[in-house]
Amino acid sequence: AQKVTQAQTEISVVEKEDVTLDCVYETRDTTYYLFWYKQPPSGELVFLIRRNSFDEQNEISGRYSWNFQKSTSSFNFTITASQVVDSAVYFCALSEAGGQGAQKLVFGQGTRLTINP
Amino acid sequence: DTEVTQTPKHLVMGMTNKKSLKCEQHMGHRAMYWYKQKAKKPPELMFVYSYEKLSINESVPSRFSPECPNSSLLNLHLHALQPEDSALYLCASSQAAETDTQYFGPGTRLTVL
Repeated sequence: AQKVTQAQTEISVVEKEDVTLDCVYETRDTTYYLFWYKQPPSGELVFLIRRNSFDEQNEISGRYSWNFQKSTSSFNFTITASQVVDSAVYFCALSEAGGQGAQKLVFGQGTRLTINP
Repeated sequence: DTEVTQTPKHLVMGMTNKKSLKCEQHMGHRAMYWYKQKAKKPPELMFVYSYEKLSINESVPSRFSPECPNSSLLNLHLHALQPEDSALYLCASSQAAETDTQYFGPGTRLTVL
């Protein structure tokens, strides 16, 4: 069965610090997709990134970067020079086929990130 | 435009009430999803519609009844709910391929008294 583990339940740092959120996944599929979503206090899940299993290139988007390593089944997320607006719950997710064009997302338990001024 | 809208934002209902949650997207997506999220937990999948047909029902109690009137709209009809059904209900949509990204709406915060 597919599984996503986010071992860090809560992280609290001071503004401008760098912070890394860990994500470890388990799957028997050779083709799969990994996602990161951000959920601010307002409740909406905001899509951040999608990565397929054949693309191990790291990605950078502004202050955000992602490190995908198939050898360790990890897809970690780093925020550089954190800001108060980065405070949110972050979910890592793994997709599995739901059949008939539907997709099922297997979510980790989430990491609550608090950036203190 | 990656917007999914949901109404209402907040809903309070009694256990004997009938109410409906509404979700709309205009991205041309052909798969739409309902999730339930309790506090401090990840979202849990409830239903999936693909090409306006129910393709996944995650053993949800019959007091929740989904409906997909057309490719842009998704409803969730609520009847005889219990207090433990109080949660954030999230709608999402995606292209109807199993690898596509799901885009989420802002959710409806439901309280059952």
